[in-house]
Amino acid sequence: GQQVMQIPQYQHVQEGEDFTTYCNSSTTLSNIQWYKQRPGGHPVFLIQLVKSGEVKKQKRLTFQFGEAKKNSSLHITATQTTDVGTYFCAGYSGGGADGLTFGKGTHLIIQP
Amino acid sequence: NAGVTQTPKFQVLKTGQSMTLQCAQDMNHEYMSWYRQDPGMGLRLIHYSVGAGITDQGEVPNGYNVSRSTTEDFPLRLLSAAPSQTSVYFCASSRRSGGPYNEQFFGPGTRLTVL
Repeated sequence: GQQVMQIPQYQHVQEGEDFTTYCNSSTTLSNIQWYKQRPGGHPVFLIQLVKSGEVKKQKRLTFQFGEAKKNSSLHITATQTTDVGTYFCAGYSGGGADGLTFGKGTHLIIQP
Repeated sequence: NAGVTQTPKFQVLKTGQSMTLQCAQDMNHEYMSWYRQDPGMGLRLIHYSVGAGITDQGEVPNGYNVSRSTTEDFPLRLLSAAPSQTSVYFCASSRRSGGPYNEQFFGPGTRLTVL
């Protein structure tokens, strides 16, 4: 079945440093979504990428979808303490009703 | 709109007991799903539904049943609870217009412990 690998599992940064998490799929994706989960909370949708090579920005967050639609990344510039949490990617391969497959997430820990 | 609601928020069961986790949404979403979240494992899909009367298995369906008699409700049944089912359970919903899977709206979760 479809697998979505996400690295790193944990990332410690100093406040103000940049952060990147990477997502790789074993199959070509129809679309990919990114979610953020604060400690003790539930996942909250951030963005969806659909087109090959797509790049979207939300303030300090930059999302990319690879040309082959098998990988994606989330980059945060100048992290803040409010960025703490776990970031998940979720992919859909299309062609049927197999549901979304989530990566295992990257835990972002920020040291002030 | 309340969004996606889940009850109960916390539950402790003994091995072998059965129970139903409730999930409801008031956004008229066609697609609903159940995930379990375990440390280091991310979110794993248990069951999902693309509309009333239609359900299908996800990645980890064993030990769980679902039904979808209305658009709003999607209960998850644990038939005979086992310690391996100790987890946090999230229900999610999304509309299907414009594509199979759109923004997923998650409920607050149910934290289940099986002793």
